[in-house]
Amino acid sequence: KAGVTQTPRYLIKTRGQQVTLSCSPISGHRSVSWYQQTPGQGLQFLFEYFSETQRNKGNFPGRFSGRQFSNSRSEMNVSTLELGDSALYLCASSPNMDTEAFFGQGTRLTVV
Amino acid sequence: GEDVEQSLFLSVREGDSSVINCTYTDSSSTYLYWYKQEPGAGLQLLTYIFSNMDMKQDQRLTVLLNKKDKHLSLRIADTQTGDSAIYFCAEILNYGGSQGNLIFGKGTKLSVKP
Repeated sequence: KAGVTQTPRYLIKTRGQQVTLSCSPISGHRSVSWYQQTPGQGLQFLFEYFSETQRNKGNFPGRFSGRQFSNSRSEMNVSTLELGDSALYLCASSPNMDTEAFFGQGTRLTVV
Repeated sequence: GEDVEQSLFLSVREGDSSVINCTYTDSSSTYLYWYKQEPGAGLQLLTYIFSNMDMKQDQRLTVLLNKKDKHLSLRIADTQTGDSAIYFCAEILNYGGSQGNLIFGKGTKLSVKP
């Protein structure tokens, strides 16, 4: 069974631009969560989607958004990029909302 | 508030046992997890324990849970150089009966010396 796939693996963007990251969950998993990992703040929860609906949202500004498609694939978007948005963005999938989460390799975003 | 605490560093010799400790805050957490992260990689789920269990063993890994003290530990027996990584403890926040997101500790960097 293929694991969680995140694309792209690496991304360099300029301040003010926007970016879209993609996550394909493990087949059959309906829950997708996104996390931001930085050296200073550690791992912080962004949002969770289940059956195309956002179920939970972390404490991030509205520039961070996401969505989930009917095939459970998810995208997150960050608009008006800031230098502080440079981070590893990790996606996790679960069969349901309350079971173990399996993470992808992450997308390393660098904002210059 | 919600917080998961871990010591930041642990150094052991190859062949010794490693014990990584964690304290969590949400007494209603139903699952507690240990993840491993190697350099440049994502998070690998190592093991998890249900809150109604005291101990779980999985090959070289032993998880101990003390619910009264909200203390979780991960013991790695016969630690190998390949175990060098950052280990994260995580709990699931419980939002009024429905499961929420994972709250992670800052991670413990395990260094294994040959």
